[in-house]
Amino acid sequence: NAGVTQTPKFRVLKTGQSMTLLCAQDMNHEYMYWYRQDPGMGLRLIHYSVGEGTTAKGEVPDGYNVSRLKKQNFLLGLESAAPSQTSVYFCASSYSRGGYNEQFFGPGTRLTVL
Amino acid sequence: GENVEQHPSTLSVQEGDSAVIKCTYSDSASNYFPWYKQELGKRPQLIIDIRSNVGEKKDQRIAVTLNKTAKHFSLHITETQPEDSAVYFCAAGGLTGGGNKLTFGTGTQLKVEL
Repeated sequence: NAGVTQTPKFRVLKTGQSMTLLCAQDMNHEYMYWYRQDPGMGLRLIHYSVGEGTTAKGEVPDGYNVSRLKKQNFLLGLESAAPSQTSVYFCASSYSRGGYNEQFFGPGTRLTVL
Repeated sequence: GENVEQHPSTLSVQEGDSAVIKCTYSDSASNYFPWYKQELGKRPQLIIDIRSNVGEKKDQRIAVTLNKTAKHFSLHITETQPEDSAVYFCAAGGLTGGGNKLTFGTGTQLKVEL
Protein backbone atom coordinates (compact mmCIF):
# COMPACT_ATOMS: atom_id res chain seq x y z
CA ASN A 1 0.00 0.00 0.00
CA ALA A 2 1.19 3.48 -0.88
CA GLY A 3 -0.72 5.03 2.05
CA VAL A 4 -1.31 8.76 1.54
CA THR A 5 0.32 10.38 -1.48
CA GLN A 6 0.41 14.01 -2.59
CA THR A 7 1.02 15.65 -5.95
CA PRO A 8 3.08 17.73 -6.63
CA LYS A 9 5.97 17.68 -4.13
CA PHE A 10 7.09 21.22 -4.93
CA ARG A 11 5.54 24.15 -6.77
CA VAL A 12 6.36 27.80 -7.36
CA LEU A 13 3.52 30.12 -8.33
CA LYS A 14 3.25 33.78 -9.13
CA THR A 15 0.73 35.92 -7.28
CA GLY A 16 -2.71 35.50 -8.83
CA GLN A 17 -2.06 32.11 -10.42
CA SER A 18 -4.20 29.12 -9.59
CA MET A 19 -3.35 25.51 -8.85
CA THR A 20 -4.74 22.28 -7.47
CA LEU A 21 -3.06 19.96 -5.00
CA LEU A 22 -4.04 16.32 -5.17
CA CYS A 23 -4.20 13.95 -2.23
CA ALA A 24 -4.86 10.25 -2.68
CA GLN A 25 -5.19 7.43 -0.13
CA ASP A 26 -5.52 3.71 -0.67
CA MET A 27 -6.57 2.76 2.87
CA ASN A 28 -10.32 3.15 2.30
CA HIS A 29 -10.46 5.93 4.90
CA GLU A 30 -13.65 7.93 5.26
CA TYR A 31 -12.10 11.08 6.70
CA MET A 32 -9.61 13.28 4.90
CA TYR A 33 -7.96 16.56 5.89
CA TRP A 34 -5.84 19.38 4.49
CA TYR A 35 -3.39 21.20 6.78
CA ARG A 36 -0.87 23.92 6.27
CA GLN A 37 2.36 24.09 8.24
CA ASP A 38 4.16 27.37 8.82
CA PRO A 39 7.25 27.93 11.00
CA GLY A 40 6.32 28.35 14.65
CA MET A 41 2.61 27.79 14.01
CA GLY A 42 2.22 24.04 13.96
CA LEU A 43 -0.34 22.37 11.72
CA ARG A 44 -3.53 24.28 11.01
CA LEU A 45 -6.61 22.66 9.51
CA ILE A 46 -7.78 24.22 6.24
CA HIS A 47 -10.68 21.99 5.18
CA TYR A 48 -11.76 18.45 5.87
CA SER A 49 -14.16 15.82 4.56
CA VAL A 50 -16.14 13.15 6.38
CA GLY A 51 -17.01 11.26 3.22
CA GLU A 52 -17.33 11.27 -0.54
CA GLY A 53 -19.17 14.36 -1.75
CA THR A 54 -18.87 16.23 1.59
CA THR A 55 -16.50 18.98 2.69
CA ALA A 56 -16.33 21.37 5.64
CA LYS A 57 -14.26 24.36 6.72
CA GLY A 58 -11.46 24.09 9.22
CA GLU A 59 -9.54 26.72 11.11
CA VAL A 60 -8.05 28.65 8.15
CA PRO A 61 -10.25 28.09 5.07
CA ASP A 62 -10.08 31.53 3.40
CA GLY A 63 -8.51 31.51 -0.07
CA TYR A 64 -8.89 27.74 -0.51
CA ASN A 65 -11.51 25.44 -1.97
CA VAL A 66 -11.75 21.66 -1.81
CA SER A 67 -13.57 18.82 -3.50
CA ARG A 68 -14.02 15.13 -2.76
CA LEU A 69 -15.63 13.56 -5.78
CA LYS A 70 -14.11 10.14 -5.04
CA LYS A 71 -13.58 8.55 -1.65
CA GLN A 72 -9.87 8.07 -2.24
CA ASN A 73 -9.10 11.61 -3.47
CA PHE A 74 -9.23 15.02 -1.80
CA LEU A 75 -8.31 18.08 -3.87
CA LEU A 76 -7.20 21.45 -2.53
CA GLY A 77 -7.52 24.44 -4.85
CA LEU A 78 -6.03 27.90 -4.75
CA GLU A 79 -7.96 30.14 -7.15
CA SER A 80 -5.74 33.23 -6.87
CA ALA A 81 -2.54 32.52 -5.01
CA ALA A 82 -1.12 35.08 -2.57
CA PRO A 83 2.33 35.24 -0.93
CA SER A 84 0.63 34.52 2.43
CA GLN A 85 -0.19 31.06 1.07
CA THR A 86 3.48 30.14 0.88
CA SER A 87 3.60 27.09 3.13
CA VAL A 88 4.00 23.34 3.34
CA TYR A 89 0.68 21.60 2.77
CA PHE A 90 -0.07 18.21 4.29
CA CYS A 91 -2.96 15.94 3.55
CA ALA A 92 -4.08 13.32 6.07
CA SER A 93 -6.70 10.59 6.30
CA SER A 94 -8.23 8.41 8.99
CA TYR A 95 -10.91 5.81 9.67
CA SER A 96 -14.19 7.05 11.11
CA ARG A 97 -15.34 4.06 13.15
CA GLY A 98 -14.81 3.49 16.85
CA GLY A 99 -14.21 7.10 17.88
CA TYR A 100 -10.79 8.60 17.30
CA ASN A 101 -8.30 6.98 14.98
CA GLU A 102 -4.79 7.81 13.89
CA GLN A 103 -4.46 10.40 11.16
CA PHE A 104 -2.00 9.25 8.50
CA PHE A 105 -0.16 12.06 6.76
CA GLY A 106 1.09 12.42 3.21
CA PRO A 107 4.66 13.54 2.40
CA GLY A 108 3.68 17.19 1.94
CA THR A 109 3.75 19.77 -0.84
CA ARG A 110 6.06 22.75 -0.54
CA LEU A 111 4.40 25.76 -2.19
CA THR A 112 6.07 29.10 -2.79
CA VAL A 113 4.05 32.07 -4.03
CA LEU A 114 6.14 34.92 -5.43
CA GLY B 1 -12.86 26.65 19.30
CA GLU B 2 -10.10 24.61 20.86
CA ASN B 3 -6.75 26.23 21.68
CA VAL B 4 -3.66 24.15 22.40
CA GLU B 5 -0.52 25.65 23.90
CA GLN B 6 2.77 23.75 23.88
CA HIS B 7 5.98 24.36 25.83
CA PRO B 8 8.87 24.61 25.48
CA SER B 9 9.39 25.57 21.85
CA THR B 10 12.94 24.20 21.93
CA LEU B 11 14.50 21.63 24.22
CA SER B 12 18.07 20.44 24.33
CA VAL B 13 19.07 17.41 26.41
CA GLN B 14 22.09 15.19 26.77
CA GLU B 15 21.86 11.67 25.42
CA GLY B 16 20.44 9.39 28.11
CA ASP B 17 18.58 12.18 29.91
CA SER B 18 14.81 12.52 30.02
CA ALA B 19 12.77 15.05 28.07
CA VAL B 20 9.36 16.42 29.01
CA ILE B 21 7.05 18.42 26.76
CA LYS B 22 3.87 19.96 28.12
CA CYS B 23 0.60 21.01 26.52
CA THR B 24 -2.55 22.67 27.76
CA TYR B 25 -5.93 22.78 26.04
CA SER B 26 -9.01 24.93 26.47
CA ASP B 27 -12.04 22.86 25.44
CA SER B 28 -13.29 20.56 28.18
CA ALA B 29 -15.08 18.50 25.50
CA SER B 30 -11.75 17.33 24.04
CA ASN B 31 -11.17 13.68 24.78
CA TYR B 32 -8.37 12.52 22.48
CA PHE B 33 -4.74 13.63 22.78
CA PRO B 34 -2.20 12.33 20.26
CA TRP B 35 1.48 13.15 19.94
CA TYR B 36 3.20 13.33 16.56
CA LYS B 37 6.90 13.27 15.72
CA GLN B 38 8.18 15.03 12.64
CA GLU B 39 11.73 14.57 11.45
CA LEU B 40 13.28 17.23 9.25
CA GLY B 41 11.66 17.25 5.82
CA LYS B 42 9.37 14.34 6.67
CA ARG B 43 5.70 13.89 7.41
CA PRO B 44 4.28 13.89 10.98
CA GLN B 45 3.87 10.41 12.43
CA LEU B 46 1.88 9.33 15.45
CA ILE B 47 4.04 8.09 18.32
CA ILE B 48 1.50 7.75 21.12
CA ASP B 49 -2.01 8.85 22.01
CA ILE B 50 -4.24 8.90 25.05
CA ARG B 51 -7.97 9.07 25.55
CA SER B 52 -9.72 10.90 28.34
CA ASN B 53 -10.69 7.78 30.25
CA VAL B 54 -7.01 7.02 30.85
CA GLY B 55 -4.59 9.04 33.00
CA GLU B 56 -1.32 7.59 31.74
CA LYS B 57 -0.07 5.46 28.89
CA LYS B 58 3.39 4.07 28.28
CA ASP B 59 5.10 2.56 25.26
CA GLN B 60 8.72 1.58 25.89
CA ARG B 61 10.65 4.85 26.42
CA ILE B 62 7.67 7.08 25.72
CA ALA B 63 4.86 7.94 28.11
CA VAL B 64 1.99 10.39 28.11
CA THR B 65 0.10 11.68 31.13
CA LEU B 66 -3.26 13.44 31.14
CA ASN B 67 -4.83 15.65 33.78
CA LYS B 68 -8.36 16.44 32.61
CA THR B 69 -9.17 18.60 35.62
CA ALA B 70 -6.26 20.93 34.87
CA LYS B 71 -6.61 20.47 31.11
CA HIS B 72 -3.01 19.55 30.50
CA PHE B 73 -1.09 16.58 29.15
CA SER B 74 2.58 15.81 28.84
CA LEU B 75 4.98 13.69 26.80
CA HIS B 76 7.85 12.02 28.62
CA ILE B 77 10.79 10.49 26.78
CA THR B 78 13.30 8.57 28.90
CA GLU B 79 16.83 7.52 28.00
CA THR B 80 16.88 9.87 25.03
CA GLN B 81 18.85 8.89 21.94
CA PRO B 82 20.09 10.97 18.98
CA GLU B 83 17.32 9.54 16.81
CA ASP B 84 14.78 11.17 19.14
CA SER B 85 15.87 14.56 17.74
CA ALA B 86 12.85 15.92 15.88
CA VAL B 87 9.90 18.27 16.24
CA TYR B 88 7.11 16.96 18.46
CA PHE B 89 3.52 18.14 18.19
CA CYS B 90 0.74 17.63 20.68
CA ALA B 91 -2.89 17.80 19.60
CA ALA B 92 -6.34 17.72 21.10
CA GLY B 93 -9.55 16.46 19.55
CA GLY B 94 -13.22 16.13 20.36
CA LEU B 95 -16.12 14.52 18.60
CA THR B 96 -18.15 17.76 18.52
CA GLY B 97 -18.99 18.75 14.96
CA GLY B 98 -17.85 15.47 13.45
CA GLY B 99 -14.77 14.60 11.45
CA ASN B 100 -12.54 13.80 14.45
CA LYS B 101 -10.77 17.12 13.97
CA LEU B 102 -7.53 17.85 15.75
CA THR B 103 -6.08 21.13 16.98
CA PHE B 104 -2.29 21.05 17.10
CA GLY B 105 0.18 22.79 19.34
CA THR B 106 2.97 24.86 17.82
CA GLY B 107 5.62 22.18 18.23
CA THR B 108 8.75 21.50 20.29
CA GLN B 109 12.14 21.15 18.62
CA LEU B 110 13.95 18.46 20.61
CA LYS B 111 17.69 18.15 20.20
CA VAL B 112 19.51 15.25 21.80
CA GLU B 113 23.20 16.01 22.12
CA LEU B 114 25.94 13.41 22.31
